[in-house]
Amino acid sequence: GDSVTQMEGPVTLSEEAFLTINCTYTATGYPSLFWYVQYPGEGLQLLLKATKADDKGSNKGFEATYRKETTSFHLEKGSVQVSDSAVYFCALSGYSTLTFGKGTMLLVSP
Amino acid sequence: EAQVTQNPRYLITVTGKKLTVTCSQNMNHEYMSWYRQDPGLGLRQIYYSMNVEVTDKGDVPEGYKVSRKEKRNFPLILESPSPNQTSLYFCACSFNGPEGPSTDTQYFGPGTRLTVL
Repeated sequence: GDSVTQMEGPVTLSEEAFLTINCTYTATGYPSLFWYVQYPGEGLQLLLKATKADDKGSNKGFEATYRKETTSFHLEKGSVQVSDSAVYFCALSGYSTLTFGKGTMLLVSP
Repeated sequence: EAQVTQNPRYLITVTGKKLTVTCSQNMNHEYMSWYRQDPGLGLRQIYYSMNVEVTDKGDVPEGYKVSRKEKRNFPLILESPSPNQTSLYFCACSFNGPEGPSTDTQYFGPGTRLTVL
């Protein structure tokens, strides 16, 4: 079945550092790929998405490119802020369900 | 304001005492879903509904029931809760487009933290 593998956290960075959170997937067909973010005490919210190979999703300085050849959708940001501290989930779509990775906690210190 | 609301936000109960967690959305979305979030396991889908009166099992449906009598509401029912259902629960909704609801943005509620003693 479909599955998503994310790097384990926590990822600890200093403000303005470069961020990469790795995500790889296994799926049949051509799923859409997502990054959701969960701030402390809140529900998940969509950060960005890509619907086909080579698409790049971007939002709030975060980017991820849908790489079919490596089945990856790595999340990157050039300069993180303290306010980016959260848990990040990679996910892929089936027709009626989303399959999530286990989440990666990001902690950014001043 | 578009939102998904869940009640209660926090609940401590005892084994075997039936409970219902309500979920309501004001976006007129056809698709609704319930997830549970556990440490080290991420989010796992419990049940989903493609539209009114249409529900289906997700990955972890055992011990749960749902109903979808109207578009805006999708309650989660635990008829006889057990300690292994202690978890953080999220309701979500999305538009059901031609390529399926999961290709569209899912909007999540704030979560319900349930503890079963």
